[in-house]
Amino acid sequence: SQQGEEDPQALSIQEGENATMNCSYKTSINNLQWYRQNSGRGLVHLILIRSNEREKHSGRLRVTLDTSKKSSSLLITASRAADTASYFCATDSRHDYKLSFGAGTTVTVRA
Amino acid sequence: DGGITQSPKYLFRKEGQNVTLSCEQNLNHDAMYWYRQDPGQGLRLIYYSQIVNDFQKGDIAEGYSVSREKKESFPLTVTSAQKNPTAFYLCASSSLGFSSGTEAFFGQGTRLTVV
Repeated sequence: SQQGEEDPQALSIQEGENATMNCSYKTSINNLQWYRQNSGRGLVHLILIRSNEREKHSGRLRVTLDTSKKSSSLLITASRAADTASYFCATDSRHDYKLSFGAGTTVTVRA
Repeated sequence: DGGITQSPKYLFRKEGQNVTLSCEQNLNHDAMYWYRQDPGQGLRLIYYSQIVNDFQKGDIAEGYSVSREKKESFPLTVTSAQKNPTAFYLCASSSLGFSSGTEAFFGQGTRLTVV
């Protein structure tokens, strides 16, 4: 069963705009990660946020985590055409060695 | 170059055949994973292994089998019992279990098609 659910399913923005996507999950987590997947390729790790953290930055990426709402958001600022990809959140729990993925948000950045 | 390699990139299977997908890593990672991805869906865990000679079923293990005889290798066999095997298969590895807060490294995937 999938732990995370991303919203929206798809997002189309103009180059230079910001892209925001959300992830909600069902059970308590240890860590939440975000990954990017270019079409037909493997996933690439973007950023990890621990359950005791509320916000994290990495370059043009900003991730927030609200454990009371069981949700996270990923913000990509000043988007570029190269940001066109699918973005997935993934969670793990203290009692489990699995990494559970959501269905992803497909982002299209128009030039 | 350290990394995780999946082969082949494309694989075609006839009805009733078993096929084996290869996954090799030279990252010295203990944990390895197989995921299945269907169009418009997230990744679903098939099997995972935390150490050599040990592995556990994931959420959709029926119709699949694995082995972990070497630390570097975690092959996945799609058996004839898997009724709908057409999908994109992704192998991943990590240095520790995910609950420790480690990232996963993914291969480039194998696209399996039943003909």
